[in-house]
Amino acid sequence: GQQVMQIPQYQHVQEGEDFTTYCNSSTTLSNIQWYKQRPGGHPVFLIQLVKSGEVKKQKRLTFQFGEAKKNSSLHITATQTTDVGTYFCAGRVNSGGSNYKLTFGKGTLLTVNP
Amino acid sequence: GAVVSQHPSRVICKSGTSVKIECRSLDFQATTMFWYRQFPKQSLMLMATSNEGSKATYEQGVEKDKFLINHASLTLSTLTVTSAHPEDSSFYICSARDFADTQYFGPGTRLTVL
Repeated sequence: GQQVMQIPQYQHVQEGEDFTTYCNSSTTLSNIQWYKQRPGGHPVFLIQLVKSGEVKKQKRLTFQFGEAKKNSSLHITATQTTDVGTYFCAGRVNSGGSNYKLTFGKGTLLTVNP
Repeated sequence: GAVVSQHPSRVICKSGTSVKIECRSLDFQATTMFWYRQFPKQSLMLMATSNEGSKATYEQGVEKDKFLINHASLTLSTLTVTSAHPEDSSFYICSARDFADTQYFGPGTRLTVL
């Protein structure tokens, strides 16, 4: 079945340093979504990427979707303590029907030292 | 963004009892809702896909007779954990998908079975 691999599993940075998490799918994706889960909270939708090679920015966050639509990355510039949490990617494979699902990566736990 | 509520947020029950968890999309209609299970420091594991007006689709390894899902309306899906046992203790999260293919997660229900 479809697999979504996400690395690294953990990342600890000093405040102000950059952070990147990578996501790779075993199959071509129709879209990829990114979520953030704060400790003790639930996943919150960040963004969806659909087009090959797409790049989207949200303030200090930059999201990329690979040309082959099998990989994606999330980059945070100059991390802040408010960035702490687990970042999940979730890929969707277009099965041709309406009953499709997202496959989540294992997530990257980001901790930031002030 | 869209809001998904989940009730109860926390439940403690005795082994052998059944527990019902409700998931509601508050400001949009969701033909499809998803139920996930999340163990501490792990990713989201999809349990089943719930479609309004039809039977749920369960993931491999998930017992449909133990985890009963009902999606009676476009804004409500329920998950009933029947004859709960301590190994069923977990964080259960629902999500609802809107017409833009974005999944919005509920706040989760922490189930503890004694």
